[in-house]
Amino acid sequence: GENVEQHPSTLSVQEGDSAVIKCTYSDSASNYFPWYKQELGKRPQLIIDIRSNVGEKKDQRIAVTLNKTAKHFSLHITETQPEDSAVYFCAASGTASKLTFGTGTRLQVTL
Amino acid sequence: DADVTQTPRNRITKTGKRIMLECSQTKGHDRMYWYRQDPGLGLRLIYYSFDVKDINKGEISDGYSVSRQAQAKFSLSLESAIPNQTALYFCATSDSRGRTDTQYFGPGTRLTVL
Repeated sequence: GENVEQHPSTLSVQEGDSAVIKCTYSDSASNYFPWYKQELGKRPQLIIDIRSNVGEKKDQRIAVTLNKTAKHFSLHITETQPEDSAVYFCAASGTASKLTFGTGTRLQVTL
Repeated sequence: DADVTQTPRNRITKTGKRIMLECSQTKGHDRMYWYRQDPGLGLRLIYYSFDVKDINKGEISDGYSVSRQAQAKFSLSLESAIPNQTALYFCATSDSRGRTDTQYFGPGTRLTVL
C-alpha cells in the first residue's frame, strides 16, 4: 500500500518568515495530494490540494509543489502569521481513492 | 464543517465495555471513513465505505467493526474496548462524483478507555 513520510515533525519560524514542509510517497499511481491544517482541538481542514497533472499550485500565501519523478511534494507558506500555527498533514491518494496521511508537522509561528 | 457530525464528542469507558461512535452527514456524499488520531502517528484509516452495501477494512481494523445504516450514517463499534484504543476518532466523507478525493472531517470524538 501507499506510504507517506512527512518532515519535519516540528517547525518553528518567526512571523513573516517562510515555512516549508516536505512529504514523500511510495505509490507511483498516486494522483491526488491534499494538505490539511488542524488547529488545536479542531478537525483537519483542507487548505490546498494538487493533482498529478500539475506541478505547482498557489493560493495567496500558500503553495504546493509536486515532483512526480522523485515522488515528493511540498507545502510552502510565505509571510507566516501567528494564525498559521497548527499541525499540518500531507496525504496521497491513488487508484483505491483512499487517503494515506503523513504523520504531521507542528508549525509554531513566533512573534 | 457542520455538515458532518459525530456523537458523542467525548466518552470515557472501561476496559471490556462495548461502545458505539456515530457519524452523520448532510453533504449527500456517498463515501464515508473512520480514522483514529494518536500523537505523532497522524491519521490512520480504520474502515471505509464507498456506498451503503460496501464496507472495507483500513490499515488498523482489528478490534473495530462498522455499520453503514444509510448513506448518511456510518457508525464505529468497539466490541470490547481496551486502553490502547484511547484516541481521537474522526469520521470523514467524500463525494465520488467530485473532481478530487477531498475528504471532509467531522469534529471528532475523544475516547478514553480506562
